[in-house]
Amino acid sequence: QLQLQESGSGLVKPSQTLSLTCAVSGGSISSGGYSWSWIRQPPGKGLEWIGYIYHSGSTYYNPSLKSRVTISVDRSKNQFSLKLSSVTAADTAVYYCARVDYGDSYWYFDLWGRGTLVTVSS
Amino acid sequence: SYELTQPLSVSVALGQTARITCGGNNIGSKNVHWYQQKPGQAPVLVIYRDSNRPSGIPERFSGSNSGNTATLTISRAQAGDEADYYCQVWDSSTEVFGGGTKLTVL
Repeated sequence: QLQLQESGSGLVKPSQTLSLTCAVSGGSISSGGYSWSWIRQPPGKGLEWIGYIYHSGSTYYNPSLKSRVTISVDRSKNQFSLKLSSVTAADTAVYYCARVDYGDSYWYFDLWGRGTLVTVSS
Repeated sequence: SYELTQPLSVSVALGQTARITCGGNNIGSKNVHWYQQKPGQAPVLVIYRDSNRPSGIPERFSGSNSGNTATLTISRAQAGDEADYYCQVWDSSTEVFGGGTKLTVL
């Protein structure tokens, strides 16, 4: 049974870079033709898609975050990562990693990690 | 950018049917997916591609999509169905979520 687990720093100073990793267990990140994504949720608010990395390695980002986001994959470690630069208090949120099932004209998140809270504060 | 509109809250009596709507311009032409999120937990996919249920999701959960409104229907509502529900679509290589609806089971 495939599982996703986020890890990384829970406290980041303003203007610094947030770094998170999502470890995939119970299966290979390279199998099945899935894509992999990051989604965040500020405290008490709704979900915001950050971006995803295709099975091919191509990436797509939320236009509102595109200038600050990098998503990468390390297939040798069976994990993918998120970097968000120049963070502010508005980036404080629970960050989720998720698997993406997709096809012609549809993408959905069929498996989620438990999420990790990242607080931006000095 | 594409926008999805959900009611902030919906209430349903125990055992009755709850309907949660998701509005968007010509949403009927898109594939809509629904997630359930209980307090302190990650979202869980409950409906994908308008009306399909993932393995393990009860038949009480169903979905429809037409015109400018997609609907998640929960039949025979149970106390355990209390949660936030989010709709989601893919538009112009971007994922869009609705603002979420809090379902209360009375």
